[in-house]
Amino acid sequence: DIQMIQSPSSLSASVGDRVTITCRASQSISSYLSWYQQKPGKAPKLLIYAASSLQSGVPSRFSGSGSGTDFTLSISSLQLEDFGTYYCQHSYTTPYSFGQGTKLEIK
Amino acid sequence: EVQLLESGGGLVQPGGSLRLSCAASGFTFNTYAMSWVRQAPGKGLEWVALIFGSGGTTYYADSVKGRFTISRDNSKNTLYLQMNSLRAEDTALYYCARRLPHDISDHNYYYALDVWGQGTTVTVSS
Repeated sequence: DIQMIQSPSSLSASVGDRVTITCRASQSISSYLSWYQQKPGKAPKLLIYAASSLQSGVPSRFSGSGSGTDFTLSISSLQLEDFGTYYCQHSYTTPYSFGQGTKLEIK
Repeated sequence: EVQLLESGGGLVQPGGSLRLSCAASGFTFNTYAMSWVRQAPGKGLEWVALIFGSGGTTYYADSVKGRFTISRDNSKNTLYLQMNSLRAEDTALYYCARRLPHDISDHNYYYALDVWGQGTTVTVSS
């Protein structure tokens, strides 16, 4: 089974900062990688699919990159509403799996 | 509006059974694969199961294989998760989610989960 490891597990940043979250797969997954944002008490929300494609309606300050085993989610200019937990997930083959999550706090 | 609405959660004793439902609306249900994803209290997301649009092909996480069964009734636009031999570690919020296709008109979606329900809570405890 493919394991997904995210780093950091948590981070705190200020409004306007550039934030980067990384996700590493235990084997190559090509670009079969999605990023989700989850706020407390809410369902996850798809942000990025196919490693770098922005989901409709998601602000352009979010971007994704990478292929193979190493991926990043970037937020170019952090906004107050970007707090929450971010998860990567591979869909290369079943069982699909998620990273353990990165909790983003706004200073 | 595309929508998923889970139901059927509740409190069940260890070893018991429960069936979750997920009612879909706003899209052509039988053309999409569907998944169940769960989240234990205070923990991360765990993929549970997948079923293709026709219902003929299913996949499971090792943690639930042999105990859970994913199914669907396309005439009712409803997804199900039959959970048997429940354990304390199955306690979680269970989400259903729509899986995008591999690609549409040469645009790659690579099976992302684009629509999620609000979840239904399952508690396994004596």
